[in-house]
Amino acid sequence: AQTVTQSQPEMSVQEAETVTLSCTYDTSESDYYLFWYKQPPSRQMILVIRQEAYKQQNATENRFSVNFQKAAKSFSLKISDSQLGDAAMYFCAYKMGETSYDKVIFGPGTSLSVIP
Amino acid sequence: KAGVTQTPRYLIKTRGQQVTLSCSPISGHRSVSWYQQTPGQGLQFLFEYFSETQRNKGNFPGRFSGRQFSNSRSEMNVSTLELGDSALYLCASSLSGGWNTGELFFGEGSRLTVL
Repeated sequence: AQTVTQSQPEMSVQEAETVTLSCTYDTSESDYYLFWYKQPPSRQMILVIRQEAYKQQNATENRFSVNFQKAAKSFSLKISDSQLGDAAMYFCAYKMGETSYDKVIFGPGTSLSVIP
Repeated sequence: KAGVTQTPRYLIKTRGQQVTLSCSPISGHRSVSWYQQTPGQGLQFLFEYFSETQRNKGNFPGRFSGRQFSNSRSEMNVSTLELGDSALYLCASSLSGGWNTGELFFGEGSRLTVL
């Protein structure tokens, strides 16, 4: 069965600094998607960034980028120039390819604090 | 475009009662998934519906059930409530299909407290 692990329950970063959140996953599939979702306190979860497993190039969305190491099954999120609004729970998530429909497996989450 | 709407947002029930939660997906989204979020277990997949059919189901007891209507709105029901059912229940919708990016669009959740 596929699993997603986030080894850092809590992280903190100074405003304007850079922080990296770790994620590893286990799968025997070759076709899958990886995601980072953000859940601010008492607000709905939103997608931060997405990576298709067949793409070698790491995804980037403004201040957010990933380091996708397929062989190592590692998918870390780097947040540059951290802002107060980045404080949230961050979930790493995995989804098999098209045939798995919409069953997404989430990691336990990392709570990120941003220090002014 | 309206987002995913979940009702009710908060509810309190007692053990043994049942509860029904509702989810209206984003217009045009035909897939609706349900997740249970608790501090101890994190986010756990309950089930997913597409065109009124349950396509995928997580490892939850039969007390947890759901359905989807022809307008893609979905409901989930929990019968014979237990204290451990206290959680935030999240609904997510997506386009699904060959153009599927895999992205889920979440509602704000229904927070259930069982006393």
